[in-house]
Amino acid sequence: GESVGLHLPTLSVQEGDNSIINCAYSNSASDYFIWYKQESGKGPQFIIDIRSNMDKRQGQRVTVLLNKTVKHLSLQIAATQPGDSAVYFCAEDGFGNEKLTFGTGTRLTIIP
Amino acid sequence: DTGVSQNPRHKITKRGQNVTFRCDPISEHNRLYWYRQTLGQGPEFLTYFQNEAQLEKSRLLSDRFSAERPKGSFSTLEIQRTEQGDSAMYLCASSLGGGTGRRKLFFGSGTQLSVL
Repeated sequence: GESVGLHLPTLSVQEGDNSIINCAYSNSASDYFIWYKQESGKGPQFIIDIRSNMDKRQGQRVTVLLNKTVKHLSLQIAATQPGDSAVYFCAEDGFGNEKLTFGTGTRLTIIP
Repeated sequence: DTGVSQNPRHKITKRGQNVTFRCDPISEHNRLYWYRQTLGQGPEFLTYFQNEAQLEKSRLLSDRFSAERPKGSFSTLEIQRTEQGDSAMYLCASSLGGGTGRRKLFFGSGTQLSVL
């Protein structure tokens, strides 16, 4: 079946360094992708999204890259801070699908 | 900031009991979604509403589950005859109904259900 998955379940990064979280998707019909951050005991919080007609989008300290050729999505977080420690999910939506499909998540830990 | 509100935050119940959760979406959002999340997994889609119309239900939503959004504002999710396998975080999300905004979901903090 089609799914959204992540390459690494855990990632530890030194405070101040940049982090990269990767995501592979298998549905070539997906045309919208979104990254969420989830802290313990809370619901997912929107970080950034990107449509399939783009290959890069930047936000505040975050950049999402989309490579449709290899069906790969990444989230780059610059100058990581302790508050960035959380589980990060990528999600996808195919045209007409009307709902997001989530991957299993990557736990990011920022080391002081 | 009036985000998505869910009540209760936690619910502990005995197997076989019925439970009901409430979700109040962001006021101008006309789409409302229910997701379920188990430990270590991403959220799984259950159902969604456009205004008061329930437009899609997942196969995960057995006949013990029912969701309503009677006036197109708040929604309730009821689970009848709860089973231990129903233990999970139940997340509600809302979005704007039109255009690409409908895909950008804003989530509440969830209701953590524990079935003993």
